[in-house]
Amino acid sequence: ETGVTQTPRHLVMGMTNKKSLKCEQHLGHNAMYWYKQSAKKPLELMFVYNFKEQTENNSVPSRFSPECPNSSHLFLHLHTLQPEDSALYLCASSLLLAGGGTGELFFGEGSRLTVL
Amino acid sequence: AQSVTQLDSHVSVSEGTPVLLRCNYSSSYSPSLFWYVQHPNKGLQLLLKYTSAATLVKGINGFEAEFKKSETSFHLTKPSAHMSDAAEYFCVVSKNDMRFGAGTRLTVKP
Repeated sequence: ETGVTQTPRHLVMGMTNKKSLKCEQHLGHNAMYWYKQSAKKPLELMFVYNFKEQTENNSVPSRFSPECPNSSHLFLHLHTLQPEDSALYLCASSLLLAGGGTGELFFGEGSRLTVL
Repeated sequence: AQSVTQLDSHVSVSEGTPVLLRCNYSSSYSPSLFWYVQHPNKGLQLLLKYTSAATLVKGINGFEAEFKKSETSFHLTKPSAHMSDAAEYFCVVSKNDMRFGAGTRLTVKP
């Protein structure tokens, strides 16, 4: 039990499908993140939410749409994806520090996405 | 601005021999530093962290790292590698945001 749960663990979708990835944290954290991990590439930060407000969007294509209804839940809505979007999508959470910055990230086990 | 460089993309050791994974950082301020481990098809797990207390930090699974400000390094070591240590390791520097290194793949030979 990592405290951060991602579902589904595996997802196969066609380019015209619409699906969503879900992340839930039970750690009382106030920041949540989506990362993309592709083979042979560094970890890419996609989105950051602090206190449910999006604070960072690293030039992510609009076919990825995040949603953070509360501090414990984070979604990544997917539509009209491309085969190159196939990757491991990792969710993380952390506690924002009073003086700025963040404590360590706690990661979920990831959702392995395959786009056909 | 801050950044982190992992000096080796791949390290291979024999079981029972020491492990050294190298990390250099760049930061305008005193940063926090972390090492994470990722086993195949898993998320990242925190191994250890440095947050301006003791410069020698002990982590889980027998790993430790030493913060050397003069060398801007935070190398990860373990005295004796185990087969289960085979994984990807990430060095991370943090001040106002977290910057991940590109990762070092550790292979352990029997």
